[in-house]
Amino acid sequence: QQQVKQSPQSLIVQKGGIPIINCAYENTAFDYFPWYQQFPGKGPALLIAIRPDVSEKKEGRFTISFNKSAKQFSLHIMDSQPGDSATYFCAASIAGNTPLVFGKGTRLSVIA
Amino acid sequence: GAVVSQHPSWVICKSGTSVKIECRSLDFQATTMFWYRQFPKQSLMLMATSNEGSKATYEQGVEKDKFLINHASLTLSTLTVTSAHPEDSSFYICSARDRRSGSTDTQYFGPGTRLTVL
Repeated sequence: QQQVKQSPQSLIVQKGGIPIINCAYENTAFDYFPWYQQFPGKGPALLIAIRPDVSEKKEGRFTISFNKSAKQFSLHIMDSQPGDSATYFCAASIAGNTPLVFGKGTRLSVIA
Repeated sequence: GAVVSQHPSWVICKSGTSVKIECRSLDFQATTMFWYRQFPKQSLMLMATSNEGSKATYEQGVEKDKFLINHASLTLSTLTVTSAHPEDSSFYICSARDRRSGSTDTQYFGPGTRLTVL
C-alpha cells in the first residue's frame, strides 16, 4: 500500500524555472516530512524537512509548503540550475524511531 | 557532521558466495540504522531496521536468513548477503539516526553499495 503518493514521476524545466513536486499522504499520524535528493549511483541526501506545526519552511533555494488539512506537502526549487537535475524523494514518518515511508520519486531535469 | 559511510562502494561476486557490507556513522552515534534496497529508477525499499545490541526487525517478504544484519556498536551495522544469487544484484543503502540531533527523526544516508552477482 502506497502511503505517500508523489507526483509527477518526471519533470523537465528550463534553467531559472521553479519546479514543484507534490506529495500526498494518508496516515494522519505522520508528523515528520523530509525531502531527499539523489544523484545516480549515490545515496539520498537530506535537503529539507518540515513538521506539521508550520505551513512553510525555506532553506536556500528549497521551500517546503505543507497543507495539513489536505494532507499534502510540496517542494519548490527556486531559480533551478542544471546541477539540480536529480531524483527527488519525499518521505514521511511518525515521531520516534519509526522508518521513513518514501514516495516513488521524481526525476527532475533542468535544461539550460 | 552527520556522515555515514559504506564499504565497499561496489562489489562483484560469484553466485553462491556471501558478501558483507559495512555501514558506519563517522561522527555521531546512531541509535538506529536502516537498510534499504533500490532497483534502477525505483524508490528505496526498506529491508530492515537495526537497533544497537538487539535483533534486527525485518520487513515483510525479506528473508532474515539470507540478509543477516548485525548492529554490534553505535557506529557500525553490517549487512551480509548469504549465498548470493543474480536476483540479489541491487543497490544497497544504509541510513542512520543521530541520537545527538535535536530531531531524532533525521536520517542520514550512506553513499550506497552496488552489488553485482554473476
